[in-house]
Amino acid sequence: GESVGLHLPTLSVQEGDNSIINCAYSNSASDYFIWYKQESGKGPQFIIDIRSNMDKRQGQRVTVLLNKTVKHLSLQIAATQPGDSAVYFCAENKGRDDKIIFGKGTRLHILP
Amino acid sequence: ETGVTQTPRHLVMGMTNKKSLKCEQHLGHNAMYWYKQSAKKPLELMFVYSLEERVENNSVPSRFSPECPNSSHLFLHLHTLQPEDSALYLCASSQDTGGVGNQPQHFGDGTRLSIL
Repeated sequence: GESVGLHLPTLSVQEGDNSIINCAYSNSASDYFIWYKQESGKGPQFIIDIRSNMDKRQGQRVTVLLNKTVKHLSLQIAATQPGDSAVYFCAENKGRDDKIIFGKGTRLHILP
Repeated sequence: ETGVTQTPRHLVMGMTNKKSLKCEQHLGHNAMYWYKQSAKKPLELMFVYSLEERVENNSVPSRFSPECPNSSHLFLHLHTLQPEDSALYLCASSQDTGGVGNQPQHFGDGTRLSIL
């Protein structure tokens, strides 16, 4: 079965607040993780990635945190905007030369 | 512009038809992928091509036939599909240096396929 999952299928956040989307993985050999955003009618869009030799990486308004001890990955979006409404997927590899496995996704709703 | 272009965006076909999905990437990548996306399911990897050579066939039925004539183009030929094949078919590409599991993939917007 899939080794990547998300804790919640949907998440509702007030506009302007920070969003935290969580992901659990089970493969200790995974050393590369990615977050994607998929808006309605579009393909997944790369947001940010992180390798297992890091525990935090920041992008523009986004931060990815990796906790290898508990096999947990999270995506933090600062000051959530209406344009952040989408489904967010985490993905992991199964090893450097192996394929990338995707989770089921969390739909982020932005409340006015 | 996404860098990965898929055509057509929508396709309706009968079970006895033959059609093809096309993908073109403008990113100079060496690896290309086909995925199937069904409602409420994770992305399912179908095929992987690296430098025009198929490196993975993820137990996909033979009614799906991929073709990669060069590193910029990827096709998915469809023949005698079933209603359960209705889904969004996504194409992706990646640089493919250092392992396909070691870099992000860039996706097109998909072809929404409906089988009557």
